[in-house]
Amino acid sequence: NAGVTQTPKFQVLKTGQSMTLQCAQDMNHNSMYWYRQDPGMGLRLIYYSASEGTTDKGEVPNGYNVSRLNKREFSLRLESAAPSQTSVYFCASSEAGSYQPQHFGDGTRLSIL
Amino acid sequence: EDQVTQSPEALRLQEGESSSLNCSYTVSGLRGLFWYRQDPGKGPEFLFTLYSAGEEKEKERLKATLTKKESFLHITAPKPEDSATYLCAVLPINDYKLSFGAGTTVTVRA
Repeated sequence: NAGVTQTPKFQVLKTGQSMTLQCAQDMNHNSMYWYRQDPGMGLRLIYYSASEGTTDKGEVPNGYNVSRLNKREFSLRLESAAPSQTSVYFCASSEAGSYQPQHFGDGTRLSIL
Repeated sequence: EDQVTQSPEALRLQEGESSSLNCSYTVSGLRGLFWYRQDPGKGPEFLFTLYSAGEEKEKERLKATLTKKESFLHITAPKPEDSATYLCAVLPINDYKLSFGAGTTVTVRA
């Protein structure tokens, strides 16, 4: 079972470049999430999609955009990367209802020079 | 503002040496408290959900408990394969967003 698949696993960007992080889940989950994880800090929610066609801002949305392409896929876009966006990015999915446990991918490690 | 504080930040144990991790939280109303395990280079893996004070859940050598202000993750007779970072997260009643603690990194030496 693949679960939640994130691509790429690693990426190095220069300041000002753009890129899209991809996420796909095969568990037929309605809800999907994007988090960032920084040393010494808890996971912080960037964006959330309760269901196909809907997206909501999380705690730290500035500098990011998202697209819920279909039920399986939820992408995160950095339009103009900044060094402060160097982080590990995790995608997660869950059954409908925020009280359901979230299942995470293995992350994208992003460095912005 | 919802807050989740985990302690200690790091814990080094000898194999077989039981111990507990703490997760203190401040939230207006708790819908659920989640425990995850995270291995280096991997995403968090779900362990337990606790919903009300007094509730307990067990899985192998792990036991999670919940009070109105904190949760404990007890590790009984740990083995080296229990080495990981353990994350706690709370879900408030009137919100959909999980608030995560920074985690406790557990190292178990053989």
